Amino acid sequence: EPEVTQTPSHQVTQMGQEVILRCVPISNHLYFYWYRQILGQKVEFLVSFYNNEISEKSEIFDDQFSVERPDGSNFTLKIRSTKLEDSAMYFCASSIDTGTDTQYFGPGTRLTVL
Amino acid sequence: SQQGEEDPQALSIQEGENATMNCSYKTSINNLQWYRQNSGRGLVHLILIRSNEREKHSGRLRVTLDTSKKSSSLLITASRAADTASYFCATGSLRAASKLTFGTGTRLQVTL
Repeated sequence: EPEVTQTPSHQVTQMGQEVILRCVPISNHLYFYWYRQILGQKVEFLVSFYNNEISEKSEIFDDQFSVERPDGSNFTLKIRSTKLEDSAMYFCASSIDTGTDTQYFGPGTRLTVL
Repeated sequence: SQQGEEDPQALSIQEGENATMNCSYKTSINNLQWYRQNSGRGLVHLILIRSNEREKHSGRLRVTLDTSKKSSSLLITASRAADTASYFCATGSLRAASKLTFGTGTRLQVTL
């Protein structure tokens, strides 16, 4: 069964450094998402992406964050200058359609900012 | 309460028993999805129920949706130790359908 994959599984970085989290969505899916889960807290929506554009974004997704689909298979989340509070599990998800369809999640990347 | 609140927060049952988890939400929704998360791992999709549906089954899972009460329930029948996990409901609202809003989760412990 097709799955969403994410790399790396764990990323450790110094405060102020840039990180890029990578995702490979399910191949026939058209909508892509990033969510994050701070330890012990709810899963929070960051951004949705369709047709090479951001569809929706949350208040968390400020100018420090950006997303890109650099080729036909990868979907990336960049954090320009990491802060301690960016430490979280970041989940990528994809769906065939938006709003009415299942979002399939990847295994997550645990980001630790020191 | 916040959008997507589950109760109970924790549930401990013995193998073979049924487990019922509830979710309440505040805004009008397009659909409601249930996910499972094993400790520190990814989110596994269990079932999606649309706003015009009242009940859905998948294997040992039964989900109900009452839009008038803005609530949903997930029933796991004949539970197994492998069902031990956190269970979350997530709603897609009418205004922002692509944005799932997750609840706080129910931690289910199934003992032998």
